[in-house]
Amino acid sequence: DAGVIQSPRHEVTEMGQEVTLRCKPISGHDYLFWYRQTMMRGLELLIYFNNNVPIDDSGMPEDRFSAKMPNASFSTLKIQPSEPRDSAVYFCASSSTPYNEQFFGPGTRLTVL
Amino acid sequence: GQQLNQSPQSMFIQEGEDVSMNCTSSSIFNTWLWYKQDPGEGPVLLIALYKAGELTSNGRLTAQFGITRKDSFLNISASIPSDVGIYFCAGRPNADKLIFGTGTRLQVFP
Repeated sequence: DAGVIQSPRHEVTEMGQEVTLRCKPISGHDYLFWYRQTMMRGLELLIYFNNNVPIDDSGMPEDRFSAKMPNASFSTLKIQPSEPRDSAVYFCASSSTPYNEQFFGPGTRLTVL
Repeated sequence: GQQLNQSPQSMFIQEGEDVSMNCTSSSIFNTWLWYKQDPGEGPVLLIALYKAGELTSNGRLTAQFGITRKDSFLNISASIPSDVGIYFCAGRPNADKLIFGTGTRLQVFP
């Protein structure tokens, strides 16, 4: 199994630009989680999906952030417009049930100039 | 909101030494997990604890779920250079979400 796949691994963009981060969960996992990691706030849950349906988006910082899961094998996290304070590492994770281990992807390091 | 206090923030030890880190919560958790993150990678699960008082080992790693359900500790015995990384505790207050601690950065010197 290839594990959770994220792309791109690194993204550098200018303030105001749209950013799209992509995630392919492990096949057969029904739960998909998006996290953001910063030095100041650590790992924060942004949103999670069950069977492609968003269950809890209370961690999404503001309306500039949106996430979709059009099918069981693909999810996107979009930031529009991006701001320098969005700079962080964004992780996607998946699990087979909410009680089981969450497997993390390698992350996307986002830098907004 | 719920917070996890993890200590120490960082540790600098010599190879062969034992390591201990802990996590405390302001509220009760049903599950405690310990993850390790290597540079440039995502966190990887080391140990999962599901019952108060549970003590679980994974090789040189031992973790315990506190009796009060508000704390957990992780011990690493006889540290080696590949133990270097950031260790995170995570607690599950309900069925789905995980709350992560702030991490303990471990550096091991030969």
